[in-house]
Amino acid sequence: DAKTTQPPSMDCAEGRAANLPCNHSTISGNEYVYWYRQIHSQGPQYIIHGLKNNETNEMASLIITEDRKSSTLILPHATLRDTAVYYCIVRIPAQGGSEKLVFGKGTKLTVNP
Amino acid sequence: GAVVSQHPSWVICKSGTSVKIECRSLDFQATTMFWYRQFPKQSLMLMATSNEGSKATYEQGVEKDKFLINHASLTLSTLTVTSAHPEDSSFYICSARVPGLGYNEQFFGPGTRLTVL
Repeated sequence: DAKTTQPPSMDCAEGRAANLPCNHSTISGNEYVYWYRQIHSQGPQYIIHGLKNNETNEMASLIITEDRKSSTLILPHATLRDTAVYYCIVRIPAQGGSEKLVFGKGTKLTVNP
Repeated sequence: GAVVSQHPSWVICKSGTSVKIECRSLDFQATTMFWYRQFPKQSLMLMATSNEGSKATYEQGVEKDKFLINHASLTLSTLTVTSAHPEDSSFYICSARVPGLGYNEQFFGPGTRLTVL
């Protein structure tokens, strides 16, 4: 199963772009990269996912390197409400065909005013 | 969008009692739900996968007789912590997989904070 490595913490100024890196050098060809975030004392929130192409939605952009060994989540204009722990997860196939998400320690992003 | 609710949002109980936590998918039917536990300043740990109409699949190290999971309908899964002890105090979070989506996105509930005295 592919594992991910993220920096434990990052800081970003409000209004600036936040770029959160993730290494997943052992990712296999059919595994997707997912990003979730968890604001303090709340359940995680899905942000975005991708396989090999770059993806963008209303929340963020996901840039995946050509060799798929790393990716970057970009919050284009960070706000104070984006302060949270961000988890980069590689989907692990589980028995019975249902997928389970294995959370690492994530990156604690602090957006400063 | 898909909404998952949990009830109660917090509960305090005495040691030795049992506590039931409900997880509901409000606007979709979920054949698969997941239960996680999160201790302070730690990451989420998957406890079990709950499938509608069948027995739950527990992760290694999780006592199935202590953490009873029932997924009797397509919109409700329950987690019962039996004979709770202070070490069971934690933040319990459920998630539901939205069927029909090609990428199997999971939506999470707001969590239930359990404190066992």
